[in-house]
Amino acid sequence: QKEVEQDPGPLSVPEGAIVSLNCTYSNSAFQYFMWYRQYSRKGPELLMYTYSSGNKEDGRFTAQVDKSSKYISLFIRDSQPSDSATYLCAMRETGRRALTFGSGTRLQVQP
Amino acid sequence: GAVVSQHPSRVICKSGTSVKIECRSLDFQATTMFWYRQFPKQSLMLMATSNEGSKATYEQGVEKDKFLINHASLTLSTLTVTSAHPEDSSFYICSAETSGANYEQYFGPGTRLTVT
Repeated sequence: QKEVEQDPGPLSVPEGAIVSLNCTYSNSAFQYFMWYRQYSRKGPELLMYTYSSGNKEDGRFTAQVDKSSKYISLFIRDSQPSDSATYLCAMRETGRRALTFGSGTRLQVQP
Repeated sequence: GAVVSQHPSRVICKSGTSVKIECRSLDFQATTMFWYRQFPKQSLMLMATSNEGSKATYEQGVEKDKFLINHASLTLSTLTVTSAHPEDSSFYICSAETSGANYEQYFGPGTRLTVT
């Protein structure tokens, strides 16, 4: 079993839809949670960074962490075709610098 | 802010030759940089952690003599793939870590290596 599980998709939605992306994890020591967006043949771009449980909102993006369920989510409101990319969740333990990534979910927003 | 560059973006080399990839943090200093490898439609796999002024720390299964890492300054880390073979063909991505409590990692655009 992988430490971080993420549905690879592809997830196809119409423009304007609310998108929900999720990851589950098994390591209870993970305390820092990130979402990255990666366009094809490009490096990942940091979208959201959260510590421990709770919600964080930034524009159209909302990140949620539920440590009791070992489950994190990224919501994208009013999705745009430019949001079409692969979304990677990443996590790390306190005191450890290395990130553990999910396999990524490919999102397609249809105009 | 927090821009990381990589050079070259794409390289094709012959089997048996060595290739050097540079990773630079352009607008911040990074005492720690990371090197990842990504296969098509797969996630990033950490290869090594590069610390300025000291030896790199390699992940289990990564050959340190094959993947030489040098972190010569607070803004530059290099990865040299020595005696490259076709199985080394991959997408190599570096990241640089910001200072402060969050230790956020910002990624470079990646280098596509093809070994023929």
